[in-house]
Amino acid sequence: AQSVAQPEDQVNVAEGNPLTVKCTYSVSGNPYLFWYVQYPNRGLQFLLKYITGDNLVKGSYGFEAEFNKSQTSFHLKKPSALVSDSALYFCAVRALDMGRRALTFGSGTRLQVQP
Amino acid sequence: SAVISQKPSRDICQRGTSLTIQCQVDSQVTMMFWYRQQPGQSLTLIATANQGSEATYESGFVIDKFPISRPNLTFSTLTVSNMSPEDSSIYLCSVEPGLAGFQFFGPGTRLTVL
Repeated sequence: AQSVAQPEDQVNVAEGNPLTVKCTYSVSGNPYLFWYVQYPNRGLQFLLKYITGDNLVKGSYGFEAEFNKSQTSFHLKKPSALVSDSALYFCAVRALDMGRRALTFGSGTRLQVQP
Repeated sequence: SAVISQKPSRDICQRGTSLTIQCQVDSQVTMMFWYRQQPGQSLTLIATANQGSEATYESGFVIDKFPISRPNLTFSTLTVSNMSPEDSSIYLCSVEPGLAGFQFFGPGTRLTVL
């Protein structure tokens, strides 16, 4: 079984400051890891993914995430937050098992960026 | 990439009735997925729908309650049957085009059951 934990329901950060949204995962074998963002009344938008290679992954809108295998973490980061980054962020995992491509999502973290 | 549309975008239904949600993709895809997002909660996979075969349901979801059709490689429907207020959720379909390496999600169908 695979699972994802997002320990923070909400993260508050001032505009211009760096932000981190935490994610840890549990999966048998090597993971595919993803971050999605959900704006109000809209579907999920893909931000970035980790499959293999460099542990630091760069994605859309200036976001990046760091894969840490020993800590089973995949934290989302951005050097300088914007008010427009305020949204709901989901971390997701999929085992490297081509027979099962469905995602397991974390509970979500609401990011609030204050002007 | 893939562009996904869902119909209806939202609906308000009476207890005991059924609603069919449509998912249309602008390209052919092998697998389509249906997720549920209950109010204030995360996404939970309902089932995986492959063209030409029966859908595979996750634990806690059954075909009688959530029948799925997948008549071709660009279209699927999810029916929510005999609805109760507990079925009030956002229902999302998603696909993973062959080389994308990630899933694209539709805009969702917001269902309210009274």
